[in-house]
Amino acid sequence: NAGVTQTPKFQVLKTGQSMTLQCAQDMNHEYMSWYRQDPGMGLRLIHYSVGAGITDQGEVPNGYNVSRSTTEDFPLRLLSAAPSQTSVYFCASSYNQGPNTEAFFGQGTRLTVV
Amino acid sequence: AQTVTQSQPEMSVQEAETVTLSCTYDTSESDYYLFWYKQPPSRQMILVIRQEAYKQQNATENRFSVNFQKAAKSFSLKISDSQLGDAAMYFCAYREDSGYALNFGKGTSLLVTP
Repeated sequence: NAGVTQTPKFQVLKTGQSMTLQCAQDMNHEYMSWYRQDPGMGLRLIHYSVGAGITDQGEVPNGYNVSRSTTEDFPLRLLSAAPSQTSVYFCASSYNQGPNTEAFFGQGTRLTVV
Repeated sequence: AQTVTQSQPEMSVQEAETVTLSCTYDTSESDYYLFWYKQPPSRQMILVIRQEAYKQQNATENRFSVNFQKAAKSFSLKISDSQLGDAAMYFCAYREDSGYALNFGKGTSLLVTP
């Protein structure tokens, strides 16, 4: 069982370049989300999705786009990378919002924008 | 918006000793969930323990236990018989009963010395 898979694990971009961070889960989870982790800031929610075709903004959505065309995949797009987007990005998924629902995290993508 | 505060950026404990990590949160909700996540140098986010706000009994998982004080909005993590493998960043997180997203504190870095 692969769980939550993020690719790539590391990426260096030049300012203004675009790229997509991939996230896939094989647990048939309804809910998927993207967080960014910066030193001294904890994890902050970028975007989330409660099911295929449904997405919404989190705490820090500017500069990022998402879509959810299938239950399994939830890619995060950077249209024009900026140095402020240098961070570690985590994708997470959970089955539903029930009391015992656990969030499963991918292993993260370390992105550097130069 | 709910906020989660971890007032200890760094903590240190000797092997086999006990350490307590602090977490406070702010919410107007009566039902919610609290979590402690561990992040070792591998970056993987690992769920350590969870607490449901409507349960008065403090959660325990082997050497890990919590002191949940609902009125004080406090959720501390106690690690007993500390081991070298417990060295990691620890994040406290909050989730509404009706929500999916996790709100994280800024983290506490735990160092375990021999």
